[in-house]
Parts: sequence; structure tokens; C-alpha cells
Amino acid sequence: EADIYQTPRYLVIGTGKKITLECSQTMGHDKMYWYQQDPGMELHLIHYSYGVNSTEKGDLSSESTVSRIRTEHFPLTLESARPSHTSQYLCASSAPFFTDTQYFGPGTRLTVL
Amino acid sequence: SQQGEEDPQALSIQEGENATMNCSYKTSINNLQWYRQNSGRGLVHLILIRSNEREKHSGRLRVTLDTSKKSSSLLITASRAADTASYFCATDAGGATNKLIFGTGTLLAVQP
Repeated sequence: EADIYQTPRYLVIGTGKKITLECSQTMGHDKMYWYQQDPGMELHLIHYSYGVNSTEKGDLSSESTVSRIRTEHFPLTLESARPSHTSQYLCASSAPFFTDTQYFGPGTRLTVL
Repeated sequence: SQQGEEDPQALSIQEGENATMNCSYKTSINNLQWYRQNSGRGLVHLILIRSNEREKHSGRLRVTLDTSKKSSSLLITASRAADTASYFCATDAGGATNKLIFGTGTLLAVQP
């Protein structure tokens, strides 16, 4: 069982609200990732980080932003939520130098009304 | 365009039968991984096969890799109802980022 946590697990919110999805890991991993996944579909990388103060956009364009002030923490923020942001958001991390395995959190299912 | 495509999209079998899922990809890879996702949950890493390997085993899992055909298969032997989940292949993009590109997934249903 991976030591990577996401909160909240479920979030239902109205259009225009600002939201932050939390992700934290206790494994000391440098690399962290955010994926977006619609039901029954593949995962799309939207953000990743090599380490503290490093963030990069992923392969899928997203209106969300991320920050990496601490190694263990990689929050994702939507300044103004819209119904098109409704999706599942999965956070992952991986260790440097060893295997390329990514460890996933349980995900946050976001619904924007 | 996505790197990995899997077939079948969905598979329903009886407990005790074997399940085979296939993954095709488009560019050269360093390794290919298989992940499992239970409904509404995060992904769990199952097995990694490197580009210089042809076959790998882990418990009831057997993975093959054919780099000439850019394809991989995952075999689950003696399936159990608890194996019901979606299975994704993922290929690395190379470099230092460990970025993975996921396939479309196969939904496996094992009937008791």
C-alpha cells in the first residue's frame, strides 16, 4: 500500500468556486504527478514536478495550477471551477534513480455543478 | 495521439479461466508497465518489463513484450472474482521525468 494521500475523496461544488485538491506523500519521492481521468477512460498527465520549486505542464492542457513548496506536498488549484472540470484527479509519485514505478493516491472525484 | 492502445476494451470471463489483455504502442520505449485500477480508485503497479526483456512473471501474472511489433500482453492465470478491475499498460517517455503514457485500459470482469 503506497503512502500517498489525496483529499478530499469526493467534492461537489458550484461553478465559479476556487478549489484546491490536496496530495501528500510520505515516501520522500522527488517526482510527483497529477493525472486527469474521465470515467472508463485513460489517464492524461496534466502536471508534474521534479522536486521542490519545480513544476511543469503535462501532455493535456489544463486550467489548473500546481505548486511544490515542500517535497511531500503537491496541491492542485482551480481558480474558478466549471462543469468541464468534472473528472477524477489522480496524484502519483515516483522515486529517483530506481524503478520507474509510480505510486498513486486514491484520487479525488470532482463534480462541478 | 495516445501511445498505448489496449484490447479488448472489455472482457468477461468465469472464475478459474485465464484472461489475456493486449497493449500496442507507437514509439520506442525503455520499459512498459501494467497497472490495475479498481473502480473509482487509484492505480496499483503490477509489473514492469524492460525493453531488453521478452517475458516476465509475478505470481499469477505473465507479461510478454515484443518490441519489434511494439506490443505487450498481460496474462492473468486462474482468475478470481477479486481480479475484477481495469488494467492499463503504460510506457515511459524516456528521459529524467519518468513520465508515463497510459493506454486506454481493459475492463476485466470475473464472474464467480
